[in-house]
Amino acid sequence: SQTIHQWPATLVQPVGSPLSLECTVEGTSNPNLYWYRQAAGRGLQLLFYSVGIGQISSEVPQNLSASRPQDRQFILSSKKLLLSDSGFYLCAWSWGSSYNEQFFGPGTRLTVL
Amino acid sequence: DQQVKQNSPSLSVQEGRISILNCDYTNSMFDYFLWYKKYPAEGPTFLISISSIKDKNEDGRFTVFLNKSAKHLSLHIVPSQPGDSAVYFCAASEDNYGQNFVFGPGTRLSVLP
Repeated sequence: SQTIHQWPATLVQPVGSPLSLECTVEGTSNPNLYWYRQAAGRGLQLLFYSVGIGQISSEVPQNLSASRPQDRQFILSSKKLLLSDSGFYLCAWSWGSSYNEQFFGPGTRLTVL
Repeated sequence: DQQVKQNSPSLSVQEGRISILNCDYTNSMFDYFLWYKKYPAEGPTFLISISSIKDKNEDGRFTVFLNKSAKHLSLHIVPSQPGDSAVYFCAASEDNYGQNFVFGPGTRLSVLP
């Protein structure tokens, strides 16, 4: 069976500090990977998705970046956090074929002070 | 401009009765739709999907109805149970690989015992 891990579960960081959130998937190969942010009143906003190693698509301009150094590893980063980066970040994966549901990780609650 | 709308931020239903959650979309190119359920501090979990070639899909207590001409879909839960209390997200996609799902803002369902 497939599992998705995301850490840390909660994180409190000062403004201007760097960020690294990690997501890994087990039990499948070549998944599509996604980073979402849950924003109040806007549901789940897709930030980045990746269909393969080193392939990143960005959906919205922002202070964040993503990388996929390995097939089942997806990292969300920032060089300098802003207050507006606070939120609930979710990683998800899906099979790399048509019209498949996405499976979400437990999420990371990020608070920038 | 939100392409996927869930106009009811919250809904309360008595246990045993029917819950109806609504979702409207504006993009006529959307042809695949999903519903997710989310408990606090957890990642969303997939509930049920429907493609545009169908107008109804049923899975146990959950049924999704799609009205393409009205650009409207709904999720029916019968009978509602207290464990169904959660936030429900509607999501839609137009591309062949289902990568770019657009999520609605969610509806918080409370099932009262």
